[in-house]
Amino acid sequence: KAGVTQTPRYLIKTRGQQVTLSCSPISGHRSVSWYQQTPGQGLQFLFEYFSETQRNKGNFPGRFSGRQFSNSRSEMNVSTLELGDSALYLCASSSGGQGDTQYFGPGTRLTVL
Amino acid sequence: QQPVQSPQAVILREGEDAVINCSSSKALYSVHWYRQKHGEAPVFLMILLKGGEQKGHDKISASFNEKKQQSSLYLTASQLSYSGTYFCGTGELGGYQKVTFGTGTKLQVIP
Repeated sequence: KAGVTQTPRYLIKTRGQQVTLSCSPISGHRSVSWYQQTPGQGLQFLFEYFSETQRNKGNFPGRFSGRQFSNSRSEMNVSTLELGDSALYLCASSSGGQGDTQYFGPGTRLTVL
Repeated sequence: QQPVQSPQAVILREGEDAVINCSSSKALYSVHWYRQKHGEAPVFLMILLKGGEQKGHDKISASFNEKKQQSSLYLTASQLSYSGTYFCGTGELGGYQKVTFGTGTKLQVIP
């Protein structure tokens, strides 16, 4: 089976712009979760989508949003970018059951100038 | 609240053993262990569910004490390939895929 894919792998934006990141989960997986990883804060949960519905949300401002399509692919959007949004954004794919294993994609490295 | 991992960093010689601990202040349903090498995505090692079970494969195993809200990862006869940062993540009942990760333990295995 193909693994989790994320596009683009690298992105450079300037403050105030918006960005959309994409994630394709493992075939058959219906849950996609997004995480932000920074040296200072570590790995932080953003949100989880399951069957096109947001099922869980972390403690991030409303500038961070997401959606999931009927084929389970997910997108994450960050509006009005700030310098502090520079991070590695990882998506994780799972079957979606309580306690199921999550498999991470390679991530998108976002740099905000 | 983030689980607390200890130690923060450890250096081992090939063949030595290590234990990484993970402690939470919340009631846990699941504990997830990942290893991340520099510049790469976290790689799944194992998941332990409520029930105090111990799991293992090859020379890496883990335990989960739900009463103490603690988990430990055991690395035996370490190899150079074990180097990386180890993260424990905790899940709560009803949280589904929401995993709260600790700050990581940096492990370096030297020849």
